[in-house]
Amino acid sequence: QKEVEQNSGPLSVPEGAIASLNCTYSDRVSQSFFWYRQYSGKSPELIMSIYSNGDKEDGRFTAQLNKASQYVSLLIRDSQPSDSATYLCAVMGNDYKLSFGAGTTVTVRA
Amino acid sequence: GAVVSQHPSRVICKSGTSVKIECRSLDFQATTMFWYRQFPKKSLMLMATSNEGSKATYEQGVEKDKFLINHASLTLSTLTVTSAHPEDSSFYICSATGGDTEAFFGQGTRLTVV
Repeated sequence: QKEVEQNSGPLSVPEGAIASLNCTYSDRVSQSFFWYRQYSGKSPELIMSIYSNGDKEDGRFTAQLNKASQYVSLLIRDSQPSDSATYLCAVMGNDYKLSFGAGTTVTVRA
Repeated sequence: GAVVSQHPSRVICKSGTSVKIECRSLDFQATTMFWYRQFPKKSLMLMATSNEGSKATYEQGVEKDKFLINHASLTLSTLTVTSAHPEDSSFYICSATGGDTEAFFGQGTRLTVV
């Protein structure tokens, strides 16, 4: 069973600050990594995917991947109240199955 | 991103009845679909993987006779919860992939068994 661990949270940040989310995974052969955002009562929404080591930026979101350390992170810059949600780290194996972390709940204080 | 439509979004059924949930990929051919369930404040738990035209592969601990999955076409997979009981009440979510690495999720179905 592939394991995906996320910082437990909840994480509370003031509006405009940076929210930092961390994730580690156990399966060394994983090649694809994703961050999903899930609002309460809704299904997950893909916000970032990353496949190679380094940083990937998309708007206010930056994903970082370090395969040697089996670590992936997500930074949310200039956090907005609308960013308040649960963020799920997901790792895809060779079988296309996604293994999810437990999620980190982020609250952005206005 | 690609669109995956799941229906119904909410359903209430009586204990002992069966409920069918549909998952459709609207703008791509979904070679593989996944079914998850999610309990409140918990992460997604993969139930089964279905490939078009073949039998679904169930995760350990998931009863295949209780959760019937059919993937009859490249755009449609169904999950039928048979003889539902209150403990089956949950949020069921499908996702689909066309063979690329990204999977897209349906809107989810909130099942309540009374």
